[in-house]
Amino acid sequence: GIQVEQSPPDLILQEGANSTLRCNFSDSVNNLQWFHQNPWGQLINLFYIPSGTKQNGRLSATTVATERYSLLYISSSQTTDSGVYFCAVERYAGGTSYGKLTFGQGTILTVHP
Amino acid sequence: DTGVSQDPRHKITKRGQNVTFRCDPISEHNRLYWYRQTLGQGPEFLTYFQNEAQLEKSRLLSDRFSAERPKGSFSTLEIQRTEQGDSAMYLCASSARQGMRNEQYFGPGTRLTVT
Repeated sequence: GIQVEQSPPDLILQEGANSTLRCNFSDSVNNLQWFHQNPWGQLINLFYIPSGTKQNGRLSATTVATERYSLLYISSSQTTDSGVYFCAVERYAGGTSYGKLTFGQGTILTVHP
Repeated sequence: DTGVSQDPRHKITKRGQNVTFRCDPISEHNRLYWYRQTLGQGPEFLTYFQNEAQLEKSRLLSDRFSAERPKGSFSTLEIQRTEQGDSAMYLCASSARQGMRNEQYFGPGTRLTVT
């Protein structure tokens, strides 16, 4: 099956710093999502971004599907940004897909005041 | 749109007992997914429904696990004869595929502890 690798595994920042999280995947994908998992375990949708660039406030994401990677940018980080960030991909199999997501291991972000 | 809901949020059970979890998807979503997440890992796919039909099951879903979506709305996931290795967060997601777009939305999860 498809492999998804995220880096770095851990990231510690001071409030106000910027950061870049990376997601590499081993095969072509048709869908890609970024999530933030809060301390209670809820996965919050950040971006649906199979290709191109999107921005939402202090967060932006870029997916270069032909090179099999995606980047999540966090600017002016805040303590509330702390948590685990997951990248997840969906890959077509044999022309059909039931849409299951394959997740990376996540990046644990800690933002200190 | 009230989002995906799951019940219960936490479940503690003794080894060998049966447990059942419920998921209510976003109302207009015809696709429903179950995932399992253990500590320090990303969620892993378990099974998928389109309307009431269960179309795909992971090898992770042993014979002790069964899932249903009887009327194409809510779904239940039952684990029989629980084992300590079943301790995990069980996550439900739903989506409504529109062309190529299939964005999944997750519920808050049910955290299972088997003692």
